[in-house]
Amino acid sequence: DAGVIQSPRHEVTEMGQEVTLRCKPISGHNSLFWYRQTMMRGLELLIYFNNNVPIDDSGMPEDRFSAKMPNASFSTLKIQPSEPRDSAVYFCASSLGTGRYNEQFFGPGTRLTVL
Amino acid sequence: AQSVTQLDSQVPVFEEAPVELRCNYSSSVSVYLFWYVQYPNQGLQLLLKYLSGSTLVKGINGFEAEFNKSQTSFHLRKPSVHISDTAEYFCAVSEISNYKLTFGKGTLLTVNP
Repeated sequence: DAGVIQSPRHEVTEMGQEVTLRCKPISGHNSLFWYRQTMMRGLELLIYFNNNVPIDDSGMPEDRFSAKMPNASFSTLKIQPSEPRDSAVYFCASSLGTGRYNEQFFGPGTRLTVL
Repeated sequence: AQSVTQLDSQVPVFEEAPVELRCNYSSSVSVYLFWYVQYPNQGLQLLLKYLSGSTLVKGINGFEAEFNKSQTSFHLRKPSVHISDTAEYFCAVSEISNYKLTFGKGTLLTVNP
């Protein structure tokens, strides 16, 4: 299996521009998570999908952030408009489910720099 | 809500020395505990986990951790480290009824020759 795939790996953009991050979960996994990693705040859960449905978006920082999962093999995280404080590494993770315990497998991350 | 404290942000050690990375957690209910490793420019990889049973858990790459409920700790240990163990290590906790992983801030382990 190829693991969780994220694109792009690096993104540099200017303040005010729209940014779209992409994630392909492991085939067969039905739970998907978006995380943000910064020096100040560490690793934070932004949003969680189960069976393509957003279950918990309480970690999404503000309305500029939105996430979608149109099908079981693809998810996007969009920031519009982007701001310098959005600079971070964004990780996508997937798991088989959220039963007793299901290991989350992480992608390599997208390093976003907003100038 | 649960929380995780990793007591050391950086731990430098020499090759072949033993190492302990400390982790304390807080939760009002039963929890699962995890250690993840992040190599430079990579995602997180699960090292080991405690779900139930024996409090001493063995993971990959020769790491082990011990769950201490009374001290609410889950320290990670390795008897002899290698240069290739240089990475950032994250402790995480989840309540057994909750899918959410709460991560500590991470400990950067640097193994020097």
